[in-house]
Amino acid sequence: LAKTTQPISMDSYEEQEVNITCSHNNIATNDYITWYQQFPSQGPRFIIQGYKTKVTNEVASLFIPADRKSSTLSLPRVSLSDTAVYYCLVGSYSGAGSYQLTFGKGTKLSVIP
Amino acid sequence: GAVVSQHPSRVICKSGTSVKIECRSLDFQATTMFWYRQFPKQSLMLMATSNEGSKATYEQGVEKDKFLINHASLTLSTLTVTSAHPEDSSFYICSARDTVSYEQYFGPGTRLTVT
Repeated sequence: LAKTTQPISMDSYEEQEVNITCSHNNIATNDYITWYQQFPSQGPRFIIQGYKTKVTNEVASLFIPADRKSSTLSLPRVSLSDTAVYYCLVGSYSGAGSYQLTFGKGTKLSVIP
Repeated sequence: GAVVSQHPSRVICKSGTSVKIECRSLDFQATTMFWYRQFPKQSLMLMATSNEGSKATYEQGVEKDKFLINHASLTLSTLTVTSAHPEDSSFYICSARDTVSYEQYFGPGTRLTVT
C-alpha cells in the first residue's frame, strides 16, 4: 500500500478556497486516490475519489497530475463547519477481501471566522 | 446514500467483562467489512478485515483471541472485546465495502470506556 504524506495542519479564513496536497510517491498502477473527512467522535465521511486528471463533485475537486505521485483536494469557499481532519488514502480494488484503506495522519483544517 | 450503522454508539463496561459491537450495512450487501480503532488525536488504525463466511484477517499486533470478529451475514459484522481492560478504551469504527460498487462506507463509531 502506498504511504501518504500530508501537512499536519492548515488554517484558513471563511469563504477562502483551501487546497490540501497529499504526496504518494509509491502509488501503484491500480491504486485510486480517496479523500475522507472526519469530525471528532464520528466515522470518516467520503469526500471524493479519483484516478487521474481532475474530478469534481458537489463539495470538492480533486486534482491529480500525470505522474499521480501527488494529489490536491480543493475545497471552495470553506465555512466554519468544514473544520475537520482530512485524510488522503490510496488503495486498489483487487477482489474480495484484499482491498484495504490505510489511514495516514491526516490534515487538521481549522477554519477561522 | 449507503448507510452503515454501529451499535451501541457508546458503552461503558467494567474491567474483565466482554463487550460486543455490531456493524450493519443498511441498504447494501458487504462481503468485506473492516474494523478500526482510533485513540484520541490519532489516526484510524486498521485492526482486522472481516470476510463474510470466513475467518477474519488481523493486522500485526492485534490479538485475535481478544478481539473476536464474526461476519455471519452480508450485512452484519460483530466485534467482541473480551476481558476488556482500561487500555482497550478507544473509539472503534467499522466500514463496509459494497459488494457491487466496491465503495467503502464508514459507520459512526462506538466509544468504548472500560473502567
